[in-house]
Amino acid sequence: AQTVTQSQPEMSVQEAETVTLSCTYDTSESDYYLFWYKQPPSRQMILVIRQEAYKQQNATENRFSVNFQKAAKSFSLKISDSQLGDAAMYFCAYKGNAGNMLTFGGGTRLMVKP
Amino acid sequence: EAQVTQNPRYLITVTGKKLTVTCSQNMNHEYMSWYRQDPGLGLRQIYYSMNVEVTDKGDVPEGYKVSRKEKRNFPLILESPSPNQTSLYFCASSPGQGRQPQHFGDGTRLSIL
Repeated sequence: AQTVTQSQPEMSVQEAETVTLSCTYDTSESDYYLFWYKQPPSRQMILVIRQEAYKQQNATENRFSVNFQKAAKSFSLKISDSQLGDAAMYFCAYKGNAGNMLTFGGGTRLMVKP
Repeated sequence: EAQVTQNPRYLITVTGKKLTVTCSQNMNHEYMSWYRQDPGLGLRQIYYSMNVEVTDKGDVPEGYKVSRKEKRNFPLILESPSPNQTSLYFCASSPGQGRQPQHFGDGTRLSIL
């Protein structure tokens, strides 16, 4: 079974600075998908970014980018120019190529200091 | 507006009193699932459905039932709730396999006393 580990229960960053959230996963599959979801205090689950394992190029979405290291099974999220609205729980998630189940990490709570 | 709708948003009830959390999606998605979220554990899948009348267990199915009689609806049933089912529950849907992300409802906070 796949497992996803987020080793940082909490992180803090100064507004306008950069922060990186870590995620590692374990799988025997070669083709899969990785996601980062944001959960603000409103509890909504908001997709931040996704990465296909067959793509070598790291995904980027505006201030959000990933560092995908397939051999190391690592999928970190970098947030540049952090804003107060970025404060939330962040979840890393894995999905295999066959099926739809998402396997989530335990989450990282990000605090942004003004 | 494309959305997944869960009801109720909050519920406090007592042990043993049957309850149902409804979930409906308006995107004609084939795949629907239920997750529970607990501190430090992230979200864990309870049940999922690939299509009408097709359901299967996820990682933590004990104490839960589901049904998929219509494509848009996927209710979660707790026949005899217990305090260890106190949690935040999410329904999600997606169009199919592959890179398509799941769309989540706004969550249901259940407290079982």
